[in-house]
Amino acid sequence: KNEVEQSPQNLTAQEGEFITINCSYSVGISALHWLQQHPGGGIVSLFMLSSGKKKHGRLIATINIQEKHSSLHITASHPRDSAVYICAALSGGGADGLTFGKGTHLIIQP
Amino acid sequence: EAGVAQSPRYKIIEKRQSVAFWCNPISGHATLYWYQQILGQGPKLLIQFQNNGVVDDSQLPKDRFSAERLKGVDSTLKIQPAKLEDSAVYLCASGGVLVQETQYFGPGTRLLVL
Repeated sequence: KNEVEQSPQNLTAQEGEFITINCSYSVGISALHWLQQHPGGGIVSLFMLSSGKKKHGRLIATINIQEKHSSLHITASHPRDSAVYICAALSGGGADGLTFGKGTHLIIQP
Repeated sequence: EAGVAQSPRYKIIEKRQSVAFWCNPISGHATLYWYQQILGQGPKLLIQFQNNGVVDDSQLPKDRFSAERLKGVDSTLKIQPAKLEDSAVYLCASGGVLVQETQYFGPGTRLLVL
């Protein structure tokens, strides 16, 4: 069974700072999701990637398959980026579904 | 397109009572997931449907939890009887046929068991 670890668990930063959230997993995967969860529970899928790098606006996600590691970066952070960011790994066969990390609670202060 | 709909948004019950949650996935999505998210933790998969068949229910506490997806569209998740430790957010997600496809999450139902 895959184990997904995220760091840091909590992160408070000032508006404008460059943010990095890390995710590591123990077993080879077919894809990794980055999700954003706002207070109230709603979850939005930000990225799904299986190699390389993806960019959407101020968000960048990278993955290193050999090192079993992924990072989510936020450039020019803004208070509206405050949320819980969760990475979830999809194992190779897909039969086990997604294994979720515990999330990183990000607060961006104005 | 309309997103995944869930109801109710909030529910407070006493232990040993029963409760049911409803999910309407995005139109045309074959796969439907129910997750349980306890405060401070990532979501945990309870059950996965492909159309109206169960793909994975290995983590569903079957002595008290049940789920169905009649006609391969809407789904209900029931807890009977509820325990204090069932207090959590119950998330429904839907996706395409391939498990590698993006999952779209509903707003969740927040359950508090007293």
